[in-house]
Amino acid sequence: DAGITQSPRYKITETGRQVTLMCHQTWSHSYMFWYRQDLGHGLRLIYYSAAADITDKGEVPDGYVVSRSKTENFPLTLESATRSQTSVYFCASSVGLAGNNEQFFGPGTRLTVL
Amino acid sequence: AQSVTQPDIHITVSEGASLELRCNYSYGATPYLFWYVQSPGQGLQLLLKYFSGDTLVQGIKGFEAEFKRSQSSFNLRKPSVHWSDAAEYFCASEDSSYKLIFGSGTRLLVRP
Repeated sequence: DAGITQSPRYKITETGRQVTLMCHQTWSHSYMFWYRQDLGHGLRLIYYSAAADITDKGEVPDGYVVSRSKTENFPLTLESATRSQTSVYFCASSVGLAGNNEQFFGPGTRLTVL
Repeated sequence: AQSVTQPDIHITVSEGASLELRCNYSYGATPYLFWYVQSPGQGLQLLLKYFSGDTLVQGIKGFEAEFKRSQSSFNLRKPSVHWSDAAEYFCASEDSSYKLIFGSGTRLLVRP
């Protein structure tokens, strides 16, 4: 299907485990983003990528790792999950960074860390 | 640091009533401003955006927003709310490095 997809949609894991959240887009957008959504905080940027093999930190990058070997995929890894990483994670993509380029969001992954 | 404030956590309106959701931003220059809507279990969808020019911006689903520089506000309005408008609404602005900063969101409940 065309668009931006995330998998899994729901994930429960335990403290200390490694978890990878997947994001895939079919538009060949250059930019991809990972946000986390927490009550009272809205969405906060974790990492973003301007192109394959180019990534940069956002507002809350600690505890997360990203990679982008292909334009269409942007996985987010929690190397050792903590309870504070329980959140809803959204992936987004856009043609460019400036405000004239709309960001398109995936449906989200709800992650619970026990 | 730049910030976006949505002072109302929840708002309840009756179906058919008018709606105004408040948003204030802190940024010296004219910001790029956005409103997004998030329906339950869904990702965010762009309703409208403001870059420059006419301060009243029309968006999808019958929404509009007005940019007021003197008040540092970008409030979202709709003249007649439908039950399907029940959702969470996020205001956002673009920071100096061209990334989005989101407000904490306002949850809209619609009474039948």
